[in-house]
Amino acid sequence: TQLLEQSPQFLSIQEGENLTVYCNSSSVFSSLQWYRQEPGEGPVLLVTVVTGGEVKKLKRLTFQFGDARKDSSLHITAAQPGDTGLYLCAGANAGNNRKLIWGLGTSLAVNP
Amino acid sequence: EPEVTQTPSHQVTQMGQEVILRCVPISNHLYFYWYRQILGQKVEFLVSFYNNEISEKSEIFDDQFSVERPDGSNFTLKIRSTKLEDSAMYFCASRTESATNSPLHFGNGTRLTVT
Repeated sequence: TQLLEQSPQFLSIQEGENLTVYCNSSSVFSSLQWYRQEPGEGPVLLVTVVTGGEVKKLKRLTFQFGDARKDSSLHITAAQPGDTGLYLCAGANAGNNRKLIWGLGTSLAVNP
Repeated sequence: EPEVTQTPSHQVTQMGQEVILRCVPISNHLYFYWYRQILGQKVEFLVSFYNNEISEKSEIFDDQFSVERPDGSNFTLKIRSTKLEDSAMYFCASRTESATNSPLHFGNGTRLTVT
């Protein structure tokens, strides 16, 4: 069974701080997606990483896919209260991208 | 921007009753999905649907579950005889193609409470 473990589970920081959250697995994924979910809403896709070692930037968010395509990280620079939410990673397998394997998420609170 | 819409936002039902959760995917999307998220647990894949048939289903999606796209617009999930453990958020999602880099768009979910 493929699993994705996210850490930390909860993170509370002050506005302006930097942070990194992690998504790890013992399995290889063909791609990995990061989503943000706010209370009462569905997950919203932030980015998809496909190539081992790939780095993608979305304003103050930097996503990296591990060289072995088993792990990923999300780094946020100068966090803002609007970054508050649940960050989920989800992995897809080559040959079957119908079914995403999800992590439990990191719940981030950025305090003003 | 087009959205996936789900109704109702919250459904309360008694154990053993049938429920139908409704979704209107984005109009030019071809691939449709149901996921569920039990409170405090991971998002779980239930079923994928393409070309009017199920393309894959998980172990969760047993004989009590069915999906339908009756009119080319709505995509429904039916649970025939609900159990307490069916209480969860149910998310519908859709995308234009099955390729991994085709974004999956989620609705805001239906919170199902089985009492």
